[in-house]
Amino acid sequence: GAGVSQSPSNKVTEKGKDVELRCDPISGHTALYWYRQSLGQGLEFLIYFQGNSAPDKSGLPSDRFSAERTGGSVSTLTIQRTQQEDSAVYLCASTLGGGRSYEQYFGPGTRLTVT
Amino acid sequence: KNQVEQSPQSLIILEGKNCTLQCNYTVSPFSNLRWYKQDTGRGPVSLTIMTFSENTKSNGRYTATLDADTKQSSLHITASQLSDSASYICVVRAGGFKTIFGAGTRLFVKA
Repeated sequence: GAGVSQSPSNKVTEKGKDVELRCDPISGHTALYWYRQSLGQGLEFLIYFQGNSAPDKSGLPSDRFSAERTGGSVSTLTIQRTQQEDSAVYLCASTLGGGRSYEQYFGPGTRLTVT
Repeated sequence: KNQVEQSPQSLIILEGKNCTLQCNYTVSPFSNLRWYKQDTGRGPVSLTIMTFSENTKSNGRYTATLDADTKQSSLHITASQLSDSASYICVVRAGGFKTIFGAGTRLFVKA
């Protein structure tokens, strides 16, 4: 079946521009995560959506970052006024539920380069 | 502070050889530990999951161990293949939805 998809796969943008990254989770998965993976670093949690609950935004590094999830499915991560330190791979994952045993299925990521 | 540390940072082995990757964690409360394989340009894919009461779990040529007392885990790869070249990430699930990722071990298998 279809896995988690993300678009675009690569994005190069100029410093100061806004970018939108999209995540399509596996159909029926109620939980969705966004992570950032910098070179040589572990995945950094950004935001978590679970069903209709208010999202946990505790990992967002600044107010330039925001995310929404429409209709409990597709999610968009928006970075405003991009900075060079925002360059990283942004990974999205979804799980069937919010329980601890559920495996996170990851998308291929969006590689963001801010010049 | 919840942390997951992996070693070595990178490893080069010859095809057919075995290797062991290490993971030490300081995560509380502990829920479960997973090992993921991440191929270049792809998202991580789960290899094994272990809970507090499990000491060892195998998935083909991959065998994971867990010592909950010392908070250590290892991933042993037997008879390595070229396709095993990837990053291996140790991930610990804490209470709630919090998931702490290690930085990974980059494995290179050479012919």
